[in-house]
Amino acid sequence: EAGVAQSPRYKIIEKRQSVAFWCNPISGHATLYWYQQILGQGPKLLIQFQNNGVVDDSQLPKDRFSAERLKGVDSTLKIQPAKLEDSAVYLCASSLLEGVYTEAFFGQGTRLTVV
Amino acid sequence: ELKVEQNPLFLSMQEEKNYTIYCNYSTTSDRLYWYRQDPGKSLESLFVLLSNGAVKQEGRLMASLDTKARLSTLHITAAVHDLSATYFCAVGDGAGGTSYGKLTFGQGTILTVHP
Repeated sequence: EAGVAQSPRYKIIEKRQSVAFWCNPISGHATLYWYQQILGQGPKLLIQFQNNGVVDDSQLPKDRFSAERLKGVDSTLKIQPAKLEDSAVYLCASSLLEGVYTEAFFGQGTRLTVV
Repeated sequence: ELKVEQNPLFLSMQEEKNYTIYCNYSTTSDRLYWYRQDPGKSLESLFVLLSNGAVKQEGRLMASLDTKARLSTLHITAAVHDLSATYFCAVGDGAGGTSYGKLTFGQGTILTVHP
């Protein structure tokens, strides 16, 4: 079974530039998450989708971050304009929505460096 | 707001020694996860604990959950170098339904096993 795919793996941009990340979840997984992991910290949820609808975006900095999941499959996360503090690994995860037990599977992440 | 705290944050162990990582969380939850992360890699699921008193073991690692104390432990028996990694606990947030997969992570415990 293929896992969660993310691209690019690495990205270096200058502050105030824009950047986009792409995620393809595990086939059949209705729920998709974007997490931000700053160096030395645990991942923090940015946004959660179920199919193509947003379930939770309470921790998404909406003045600069946006995300979409058209057609309920792939998702993109965009930052515009980037700040130095956005340097982090952006992890995409997906899960089935099935009863009580829902385990999230993570992709390898995109490491963003803002200079 | 759910808070998850791990301790210790850094753990330097000798091979063949035993040690325990603790994970405390602030609000009621019936789902707790342990992940392993190697440098530059994504999160690998180790254990999913879904009920009070749950205990799971895999090789030299054993995890347990006490929902009344809001405490989970990850016990390492006779450590070997291959266990060197960062270990995260994550607590299931959300009351159910579409929020069921949302996780709040601890800060992580960096484990280094020395010969």
